[in-house]
Amino acid sequence: AQSVTQLGSHVSVSEGALVLLRCNYSSSVPPYLFWYVQYPNQGLQLLLKYTTGATLVKGINGFEAEFKKSETSFHLTKPSAHMSDAAEYFCAVSKGTGANSKLTFGKGITLSVRP
Amino acid sequence: NAGVMQNPRHLVRRRGQEARLRCSPMKGHSHVYWYRQLPEEGLKFMVYLQKENIIDESGMPKERFSAEFPKEGPSILRIQQVVRGDSAAYFCASSPPSGGPPDTQYFGPGTRLTVL
Repeated sequence: AQSVTQLGSHVSVSEGALVLLRCNYSSSVPPYLFWYVQYPNQGLQLLLKYTTGATLVKGINGFEAEFKKSETSFHLTKPSAHMSDAAEYFCAVSKGTGANSKLTFGKGITLSVRP
Repeated sequence: NAGVMQNPRHLVRRRGQEARLRCSPMKGHSHVYWYRQLPEEGLKFMVYLQKENIIDESGMPKERFSAEFPKEGPSILRIQQVVRGDSAAYFCASSPPSGGPPDTQYFGPGTRLTVL
C-alpha cells in the first residue's frame, strides 16, 4: 500500500522568503510523485511530477522538487514566495500506469504568504 | 482545448435523494478518475474508468455508489439515497491513453455536493 505524509497543515511565509513544503511517501514499488496546487473553489493543477530520470524536477511558477529515495522524500521548494502562491498544496504518489495509475494524496498543506 | 468539465458545480440534495455528477474529459482523453475530498482531508481515490470499462473501483463505497463511462457521452458518478456524510467535493480527472510513464491527470473544477 502507498501513503503520503505531509507534516503540518499550514505554512506561513513572508513575501520573498523561501517556500519549503515537505512530503514523505511510502511505496512498495518505485514511486511516481506529483505536486498539485488547489486555489479556493477550484480543481487541482499539476505543479510538477517525477517519473524517472533526473531527481531534481522543475515545475511551473518557479517551483521545484527533489526526489530523494534514501529519505523517501519529495519536498517542494520555491526560492522566493509571491502573494499569488497562497493556496493549498497536495503531494501525491502512484505506482505507474494503467491499473496502477490511481493517485494517493497527502492531506495537503495550506500556504499563506504575508506581505 | 477545453479542460475537464464537470457539472453541476454545486448540487444540493435532501437525504434519500439521488445525486448524479457528470464529467466530460479533455478531448482525446479516454481515462477518467473520480476522487472525493471531504472537509479537512486530502483527495481520496474512488474509481478509475476507461470507455465502457471499470478498471479499478477499490475506493468506491460498496453500496449506493456507482460509476460509468459510456462509449458516448460523459462519465457519470451516481449516488443513490444520499446521506449527510456524502457531502463533499467530487473531482473528476482525465488522462490520455497510457503509452509510457504515467500521464498527468488533469482535474476538473469539481462538484460540491451538499446533503441537507
